[in-house]
Amino acid sequence: ETGVTQSPTHLIKTRGQQVTLRCSSQSGHNTVSWYQQALGQGPQFIFQYYREEENGRGNFPPRFSGLQFPNYSSELNVNALELDDSALYLCASSPPSGDRGSWGYTFGSGTRLTVV
Amino acid sequence: SQKIEQNSEALNIQEGKTATLTCNYTNYSPAYLQWYRQDPGRGPVFLLLIRENEKEKRKERLKVTFDTTLKQSLFHITASQPADSATYLCALFVNTNAGKSTFGDGTTLTVKP
Repeated sequence: ETGVTQSPTHLIKTRGQQVTLRCSSQSGHNTVSWYQQALGQGPQFIFQYYREEENGRGNFPPRFSGLQFPNYSSELNVNALELDDSALYLCASSPPSGDRGSWGYTFGSGTRLTVV
Repeated sequence: SQKIEQNSEALNIQEGKTATLTCNYTNYSPAYLQWYRQDPGRGPVFLLLIRENEKEKRKERLKVTFDTTLKQSLFHITASQPADSATYLCALFVNTNAGKSTFGDGTTLTVKP
């Protein structure tokens, strides 16, 4: 089975620009979560998508938005980039709902975004 | 406010010893807690999950305990090896059906030969 794939692996953008990051979930997983991880810190929950709808959101402004497609892949869009948006963006997929207390997330290797 | 603290940023131990990492939380009532391993430049890898009504879970050389009275989870690696060197993250999930999770900042473990 394939794992979680994220693209691109690295990206440099200018302040004020917009960026789209992509994630392909693991086979059989229908839920995708996005996290932002600053250097030396733990992942911060941005939002989760389940059945193409947002299912939970962390403390991130509306300029962070997302999509989930029928094949369960997902996009994270960030508008009006700020210097503080520089971080590793992680995508994690999880299996269909059921007993959520029995599995862990499968993470991709992330997209390293640098805003200059 | 809700807070998660992992005992220290770095832990250095000798090969063969038991590493013990701590995850403390305040103002949470977690439904379950997970532990992950993260290597530099990589995404976290799931290790173990423990539910609020469980006291202990084991997997090979790994053991996790969960004390909801103390609001603390302990993560043990027995017979540690240099290959165990990595950053270990704990994550809390408040509701079994909600998407939101909260991660600690991690503890970097170094196992010296």
